[in-house]
Amino acid sequence: DAGVTQSPTHLIKTRGQQVTLRCSPKSGHDTVSWYQQALGQGPQFIFQYYEEEERQRGNFPDRFSGHQFPNYSSELNVNALLLGDSALYLCASSLERQGRTDTQYFGPGTRLTVL
Amino acid sequence: GDSVTQMEGPVTLSEEAFLTINCTYTATGYPSLFWYVQYPGEGLQLLLKATKADDKGSNKGFEATYRKETTSFHLEKGSVQVSDSAVYFCALPNQAGTALIFGKGTTLSVSS
Repeated sequence: DAGVTQSPTHLIKTRGQQVTLRCSPKSGHDTVSWYQQALGQGPQFIFQYYEEEERQRGNFPDRFSGHQFPNYSSELNVNALLLGDSALYLCASSLERQGRTDTQYFGPGTRLTVL
Repeated sequence: GDSVTQMEGPVTLSEEAFLTINCTYTATGYPSLFWYVQYPGEGLQLLLKATKADDKGSNKGFEATYRKETTSFHLEKGSVQVSDSAVYFCALPNQAGTALIFGKGTTLSVSS
């Protein structure tokens, strides 16, 4: 049973560019959440997708957007990259239960470096 | 709002020592509580969880008990190994039950 997978593993971009990160959830899961983890910090919630819609959003600007596909996989897009966007981006998948998500399982992350 | 406070690290121990990492929380109601572990250069792995008061979560020799009286969920292990060296995060879901709220993490370093 494959766990949560993310691609790419590492990415280097320059300021102002745009980036797309991808996530495939654990088999049987229908909900995908994205987190940003700056160096030495705990993960911060960006947003969650369920039934191909953004269900909730954390305190992140509109430069951060996402999408969920019918097969439950998801993309995170970041436009107009800033140096401060350099971080580990984590995808987590879970199962929707009565309006709440069950335990979240994380992927290995994508390390984004903005120069 | 809901929050999690972890003891600051780093925690440095010798192999076979006893480990305690403190975690206290502020929340409305009685949410599930989680410990995640992050090994160097990797993502987060679920270590253990507890879903209601007085529950004890356990995995790989680690234990944590959900104490509503003290709003705590301290992580313990009786005998640590070098391979336990990692960053440990305490977490709980937000009120909407969507996002996880994490503590700042505690770095554990175990030497042989």
